Amino acid sequence: AQKVTQAQTEISVVEKEDVTLDCVYETRDTTYYLFWYKQPPSGELVFLIRRNSFDEQNEISGRYSWNFQKSTSSFNFTITASQVVDSAVYFCALTGDSNYQLIWGAGTKLIIKP
Amino acid sequence: AAGVIQSPRHLIKEKRETATLKCYPIPRHDTVYWYQQGPGQDPQFLISFYEKMQSDKGSIPDRFSAQQFSDYHSELNMSSLELGDSALYFCASSLEGNYNEQFFGPGTRLTVL
Repeated sequence: AQKVTQAQTEISVVEKEDVTLDCVYETRDTTYYLFWYKQPPSGELVFLIRRNSFDEQNEISGRYSWNFQKSTSSFNFTITASQVVDSAVYFCALTGDSNYQLIWGAGTKLIIKP
Repeated sequence: AAGVIQSPRHLIKEKRETATLKCYPIPRHDTVYWYQQGPGQDPQFLISFYEKMQSDKGSIPDRFSAQQFSDYHSELNMSSLELGDSALYFCASSLEGNYNEQFFGPGTRLTVL
């Protein structure tokens, strides 16, 4: 069975601090995909990144960076120099060859204080 | 670029009423997925369709049914609504059953009173 764990329910930091959101996954699939989504208070799901199981390269996009480590089954997300607009719930999700639906973590609520 | 369209965006119903949510996928996308997100919860997969056939089924209550039409739009029909059905309902679409590239619509917020 597939599972995604986001152990951090809520994180609160002061603006300009760096923050890392943790994601640990379980799957028996050889081919799988990991995602991060942002859900602001308005409710829409904003796609941030997709990573497949064969690509362990870390990725940086502006203030966002992702660290994918198959050895620890983790796909962590770091926001550098956080801003108030980063306040949202962030979801890590997983899908793979054994089932085509997205399996979601419980989400981490990120609060950035001015 | 065209995105996934969901209608209505907001819906208020009474208990025991019925509701129909509509999803219009991105043009040329032939696969549709439905997810339900309760308050403070993560999205839960309900059902998916590929080329008008049900392709996967998740935790969809028996009171709910869905279908995909010849133009690939999909409708989620919900009957005997309960307070617990209050949630955000997301539709996503993809091309040729490409499950690893699902594009999400803005969601329909259903409130059952």
